Amino acid sequence: KAGVTQTPRYLIKTRGQQVTLSCSPISGHRSVSWYQQTPGQGLQFLFEYFSETQRNKGNFPGRFSGRQFSNSRSEMNVSTLELGDSALYLCASSLAGTSGYEQFFGPGTRLTVL
Amino acid sequence: GENVEQHPSTLSVQEGDSAVIKCTYSDSASNYFPWYKQELGKRPQLIIDIRSNVGEKKDQRIAVTLNKTAKHFSLHITETQPEDSAVYFCAASKPGFKTIFGAGTRLFVKA
Repeated sequence: KAGVTQTPRYLIKTRGQQVTLSCSPISGHRSVSWYQQTPGQGLQFLFEYFSETQRNKGNFPGRFSGRQFSNSRSEMNVSTLELGDSALYLCASSLAGTSGYEQFFGPGTRLTVL
Repeated sequence: GENVEQHPSTLSVQEGDSAVIKCTYSDSASNYFPWYKQELGKRPQLIIDIRSNVGEKKDQRIAVTLNKTAKHFSLHITETQPEDSAVYFCAASKPGFKTIFGAGTRLFVKA
């Protein structure tokens, strides 16, 4: 079974621009979660989508948004980029949610904001 | 709000020694506690998990213990090997809610 994939793997943007990241979950998985990973900050939860609905949301500003499509693929969008948005963005898929189910992570998208 | 504290942030052990990483959670309703290992440049991967109805779980050289009363759980790695060197994340969650991760422990196993 193919693993979780994310595109693109690397992105360089400048302040004020916007960016869209994509995540393809494992086939059959209905839950996709997004995390921001920065050195020393661990894995900060952004949001979780389940069957095209946002089920949980972390403490990030409204510039961060996402969506999920009927095939469970998910996208994450960041508008008006700031220097502090530079991070590794990981998505993870699971069968039915993050609680009680193993999360399978993608390789991440490394975003650099200049 | 919910919080998971993880200690230590860095741990260095000699090959063959044991390593222990401890986590404390704040939400008493949490009932699922996974541990993820992230090797340098790679994605996090689940290594072991425990549910609130179990006090201890073992899988070869790794074990996790859970103390619900004190709201803490620990990862134990015995007979450490250089390939155990990685960042380890604990996490806690409850049904229908997001998973909260600890800040991570960087484990160095010296050969």
